Amino acid sequence: AQSVTQLDSHVSVSEGTPVLLRCNYSSSYSPSLFWYVQHPNKGLQLLLKYTSAATLVKGINGFEAEFKKSETSFHLTKPSAHMSDAAEYFCVVSDRSGGSYIPTFGRGTSLIVHP
Amino acid sequence: EAQVTQNPRYLITVTGKKLTVTCSQNMNHEYMSWYRQDPGLGLRQIYYSMNVEVTDKGDVPEGYKVSRKEKRNFPLILESPSPNQTSLYFCASSLIGDPGGYTFGSGTRLTVV
Repeated sequence: AQSVTQLDSHVSVSEGTPVLLRCNYSSSYSPSLFWYVQHPNKGLQLLLKYTSAATLVKGINGFEAEFKKSETSFHLTKPSAHMSDAAEYFCVVSDRSGGSYIPTFGRGTSLIVHP
Repeated sequence: EAQVTQNPRYLITVTGKKLTVTCSQNMNHEYMSWYRQDPGLGLRQIYYSMNVEVTDKGDVPEGYKVSRKEKRNFPLILESPSPNQTSLYFCASSLIGDPGGYTFGSGTRLTVV
């Protein structure tokens, strides 16, 4: 069975400082991992994805994430936060459990960016 | 444009009055799914479908029905809505066996009074 844990429900940063959103996963297979972003009153948008290629994945808007199998982690980072990054972020794991790829969502991390 | 279309975007209804939220995708995706989003609980899967006429319960199926008579459509049916079904609902689709990410609809905000 697969599972995903987002370690922080809220993260607060100042504009221009680094962002770190933490995600740990559990999977019996080689998983695919995703980060989605949801801006207020909007749907979910794919930020980046890991599908067994390079372990450092670059996404949109300057975000990146590193797949660390030994630590079962897929943390999301950005060198410098922008006000427009304020949103809800979801880590998602998907593997071949049951013969098909059914995703499991984390509970989300709310990123707050202060001026 | 590749997209998942949900309707309506906003709906206020009364307890017990049957309603349907429609979901349609134009990407020929086999996999479709419904989620509800509630504060502090993230996204919880209601039902999913691997292909036409194949549907399965997710984590919170009680009080909901779905059907998949055509590949592109996956309506969510609330036969007798109750206030605890007040939530934000999302439909999503993807190709099976291609974990390249999921395309989400814009959401339906449902209020049951």
